Amino acid sequence: SAVISQKPSRDICQRGTSLTIQCQVDSQVTMMFWYRQQPGQSLTLIATANQGSEATYESGFVIDKFPISRPNLTFSTLTVSNMSPEDSSIYLCSAESTSGSLTQYFGPGTRLTVL
Amino acid sequence: QKEVEQNSGPLSVPEGAIASLNCTYSDRGSQSFFWYRQYSGKSPELIMFIYSNGDKEDGRFTAQLNKASQYVSLLIRDSQPSDSATYLCAVSMYSGGGADGLTFGKGTHLIIQP
Repeated sequence: SAVISQKPSRDICQRGTSLTIQCQVDSQVTMMFWYRQQPGQSLTLIATANQGSEATYESGFVIDKFPISRPNLTFSTLTVSNMSPEDSSIYLCSAESTSGSLTQYFGPGTRLTVL
Repeated sequence: QKEVEQNSGPLSVPEGAIASLNCTYSDRGSQSFFWYRQYSGKSPELIMFIYSNGDKEDGRFTAQLNKASQYVSLLIRDSQPSDSATYLCAVSMYSGGGADGLTFGKGTHLIIQP
C-alpha cells in the first residue's frame, strides 16, 4: 500500500480564517479522496480529486467552502474556508491502491479545532 | 441516498472466541465492500475487501458477502485484546475508472475481554 502523509497533523484556528491541508503520497496514484470525520462520528466523503480534472464534490459540500487542488499524481490539498466551529473535525485524505485492487488507504488525518 | 448500517455496539467478546460483525447496505448497485479497523485517535486501516458473493479468508479474518440480502459481515477468529477497536464497514460503486469514494457505516465498537 502507498504511504500517505498529511500536514498539519493538527491545528487550532480562529473563526473566519482558512486552513489548507496537504496530502502527499509516496507513489503516483490517479484517484485521491478527502473525507471528514466529525467527533464521535464515522467518515463522510467530501470530494474525489482526480488528477487532471476538477474535483467532484458530494452532496452537501461545495467548492467555495472546500476548494481542492490536485497538481500532480502524488499531491493534493484541501482548504477549509471561512471556518466556523462546526468545521471542527478530523480531515483525512486517502489514495487508491497502486495494485489495482480498488482499495483505498488513509493518511493519518488532520485534527482541526475552530474557536 | 446510499446508506450503510451497522450495530454501534459495544460488542463484547471473550478472548479466543469468534467476533461477528454485521453490515447492511441500501444501494443494490454497490459493487465493492470493505472493512476498516480504527483505533481511537488513529486513521482507518484496511482489514478486508470483498467483491463477490461468498466468503473470503485472510488469516484470522473472514469477510462474507450476500448481495441478494445486501449484507456483508466480518468474522474474527481467535479474538485477541489487540482486536479491540471500532470496525467500519464501507461500500462503493465501481465506475470502471478506478477506486470510487466510500460510503461508511457508523462503525461497531468491539471489545475483546481478556
